[in-house]
Amino acid sequence: GQSLEQPSEVTAVEGAIVQINCTYQTSGFYGLSWYQQHDGGAPTFLSYNALDGLEETGRFSSFLSRSDSYGYLLLQELQMKDSASYFCAVRSLNTGGFKTIFGAGTRLFVKA
Amino acid sequence: GAGVSQSPSNKVTEKGKDVELRCDPISGHTALYWYRQSLGQGLEFLIYFQGNSAPDKSGLPSDRFSAERTGGSVSTLTIQRTQQEDSAVYLCASSSKNYGYTFGSGTRLTVV
Repeated sequence: GQSLEQPSEVTAVEGAIVQINCTYQTSGFYGLSWYQQHDGGAPTFLSYNALDGLEETGRFSSFLSRSDSYGYLLLQELQMKDSASYFCAVRSLNTGGFKTIFGAGTRLFVKA
Repeated sequence: GAGVSQSPSNKVTEKGKDVELRCDPISGHTALYWYRQSLGQGLEFLIYFQGNSAPDKSGLPSDRFSAERTGGSVSTLTIQRTQQEDSAVYLCASSSKNYGYTFGSGTRLTVV
């Protein structure tokens, strides 16, 4: 089957750097995505890694190691508005076709 | 349309009644997903449509749940004989690529 693990909560201070880890188990791995969801809102796409390495988009970066079945989301220069839930999602290809499964989410609290 | 549209935004129904939830994806998006999210929880995969291929229904929790996608566009998720445990936010997402789904604002279903 497929499974993803990420911490349930992370707390950090405004202006700091925080890393949210995600480990996964799946067959037919295709790529790892990250989504942000504010309370009461819909998830919004942040990043996607299909190959090993670091992808940078502004203050957010995402890393993937396929050999370790591991990735992380790095948020720099934290702002209060970054307080939200962050979900990693694994896209895999198996006999039934493509499927994207989400982790349970990491709730990030940014303190002043 | 400009985004993924879901209706209704809120639905309160009596236990045992049937409900239909609608998703209007972004025009041209071939992939469409339905997820379910309970309060404070992650996203639970329900069903996936990709173009004209047979849908992946492996996430549907029981035979009371069904979904269809007409003309490769609008999708309807139907829940028959609703139960209280069906109460959740039902999210629809669409994409034209292998990643980077755009989510609708969801339908909050409450079964009383």
